[in-house]
Amino acid sequence: GQQLNQSPQSMFIQEGEDVSMNCTSSSIFNTWLWYKQDPGEGPVLLIALYKAGELTSNGRLTAQFGITRKDSFLNISASIPSDVGIYFCAGPMDSNYQLIWGAGTKLIIKP
Amino acid sequence: EAQVTQNPRYLITVTGKKLTVTCSQNMNHEYMSWYRQDPGLGLRQIYYSMNVEVTDKGDVPEGYKVSRKEKRNFPLILESPSPNQTSLYFCASSLSTVYTEAFFGQGTRLTVV
Repeated sequence: GQQLNQSPQSMFIQEGEDVSMNCTSSSIFNTWLWYKQDPGEGPVLLIALYKAGELTSNGRLTAQFGITRKDSFLNISASIPSDVGIYFCAGPMDSNYQLIWGAGTKLIIKP
Repeated sequence: EAQVTQNPRYLITVTGKKLTVTCSQNMNHEYMSWYRQDPGLGLRQIYYSMNVEVTDKGDVPEGYKVSRKEKRNFPLILESPSPNQTSLYFCASSLSTVYTEAFFGQGTRLTVV
């Protein structure tokens, strides 16, 4: 079945550093979604991508829909303490009524 | 304020004792779903509902039931909870399909002993 592989699993970074994470699939997706989960909260949508090659920004966050439609990337520039949390990629399964989720990338900022 | 409300936030129960986790949304969304979140596995969908009286199984439906009698409510029922259902549960709603933004509740941490 469809699976999303998200990497890295976790990241320890210094405040001010740039962050990159990615999500890959063995099958084609026509939509990529990036969510962030703050500690103790439910996930919140950051960026939605609907077209291969699309590059979309939301403040310091930039996400790209891979040309092959089998991957997506999320970059965070100049990280700040409130960026800590778990970042998830997600995409619709073939049925269009179910989302499949990556396992998440946990971002930790070193003091 | 637009929101998805889950109750309870925390629950400890014993094996076999039926329980219900409630979920309510005030955004008039058609699509609602339940997820469980386990370390290293991300979010896995349990059940989803496209509209009133229309529900379907997600990836991990065994041991769970749902109902959608009203548009705003989508309760999750565990008829006979077992320890492997210890998890963090999230309810989510979105305007229509999965292509529209999903709004999540704050989660219910369930422990079955």
